[in-house]
Amino acid sequence: KNEVEQSPQNLTAQEGEFITINCSYSVGISALHWLQQHPGGGIVSLFMLSSGKKKHGRLIATINIQEKHSSLHITASHPRDSAVYICAVHSPIQGAQKLVFGQGTRLTINP
Amino acid sequence: DAGITQSPRHKVTETGTPVTLRCHQTENHRYMYWYRQDPGHGLRLIHYSYGVKDTDKGEVSDGYSVSRSKTEDFLLTLESATSSQTSVYFCAINNDLYSNQPQHFGDGTRLSIL
Repeated sequence: KNEVEQSPQNLTAQEGEFITINCSYSVGISALHWLQQHPGGGIVSLFMLSSGKKKHGRLIATINIQEKHSSLHITASHPRDSAVYICAVHSPIQGAQKLVFGQGTRLTINP
Repeated sequence: DAGITQSPRHKVTETGTPVTLRCHQTENHRYMYWYRQDPGHGLRLIHYSYGVKDTDKGEVSDGYSVSRSKTEDFLLTLESATSSQTSVYFCAINNDLYSNQPQHFGDGTRLSIL
């Protein structure tokens, strides 16, 4: 079993829909990252969370440390949100900043 | 955007040949990482560096070596490439190993071993 599990693996929705991507992890962590990877490969960091909630534009990320679970929400989704969204945890057990990554969720937003 | 350049961006080569991928940064960040990304797997750490000439292994280091002779360059070498090393390789950097700062990624190198 992977230490970081994302669901769903693939998600297709219509423009304007509210999107939720989930991430569960099995190790103790000091922080969780949400990353976005567009077709063509570039990876950018969206959020880094250690507790609570963060919001940036239409994107909201939450984390529940006790339940070892995080969610990424996209409000009023748009075709340009189509990308692979990756959850990664920074676990002090691993030593240094060795991130453990989920497999990613491929999101497609149709116009 | 963080100044990270990976080269080459694409490479096709034959089994048994040596291959070197280069990661160049202009941010003067101390820490550099090499990952590979494969279908069905998340990004997996190959090697990382915490300073000039200071490197350590990641979870999938077999068959790979690295070198860092100056702050800005981190080289990944496949001494004798195998088909199982066909992958997309990403370099990442950050400036504080023990904080939770995000890593900044390069655009990736798509490597095909025939």
